[in-house]
Amino acid sequence: QVQLVQSGSELKKPGAAVKVSCKASGYSFTTYAINWVRQAPGQGFEWMGWINTNTWNPTYAQGFSGRFVFSLDTSVSTAYLQISSLKAEDTAVYYCAREVDYSDGMDVWGQGTTVTVSS
Amino acid sequence: SSELTQDPAVSVALGQTVRITCQGDSLRSYYAIWYQQKPGQPPIVVIHAKNNRPSGIPDRFSGSSSGSTASLTISGAQAEDEADYYCNSRDSSGNRWVFGGGTKLAVL
Repeated sequence: QVQLVQSGSELKKPGAAVKVSCKASGYSFTTYAINWVRQAPGQGFEWMGWINTNTWNPTYAQGFSGRFVFSLDTSVSTAYLQISSLKAEDTAVYYCAREVDYSDGMDVWGQGTTVTVSS
Repeated sequence: SSELTQDPAVSVALGQTVRITCQGDSLRSYYAIWYQQKPGQPPIVVIHAKNNRPSGIPDRFSGSSSGSTASLTISGAQAEDEADYYCNSRDSSGNRWVFGGGTKLAVL
């Protein structure tokens, strides 16, 4: 079946970096864009941006440029989110999501990766 | 602040009908997608493309839209419908996704 499987929870110290993976299966990876969405503890969703799985071109939402990098390895149908210089306020669940189109939204989501930043 | 506005919390008696609303200018141009999220789980789509239900979503879930307001209606709410519900659409420029702040639904 169609699914996105993300890497496991991470505990990092401030200033460190983290790389979250999102492996797709059950469909042609390059047919759909991958979006990244953040959910801070007890909060709603914040769209971080997306990556075109054909052109590899990333687009970052306001507030998510610089320390945040989206990348791909299409040979293994995997998208990555790397966050550098981690701060306590980066503590959140990070989701990858497959985008269908503007009407159908993001139809398949990964299970989420909890990133905790604490000294 | 969110460009899509939702009531933070709504309650409904078991078996009754509840409407969850989402307001935003972008909804005049773009459909709302509705997600259900239960604690500790990722969200799932319950309504997309205005009023389409993915496979497996009960037909008690329906969507509608008028002007700048989109609505999710649950007709005959069940205990398992207790969850957070989020609306989502493109912003007015079409350049980015935006989410509503979410509505916590309590089924009493």
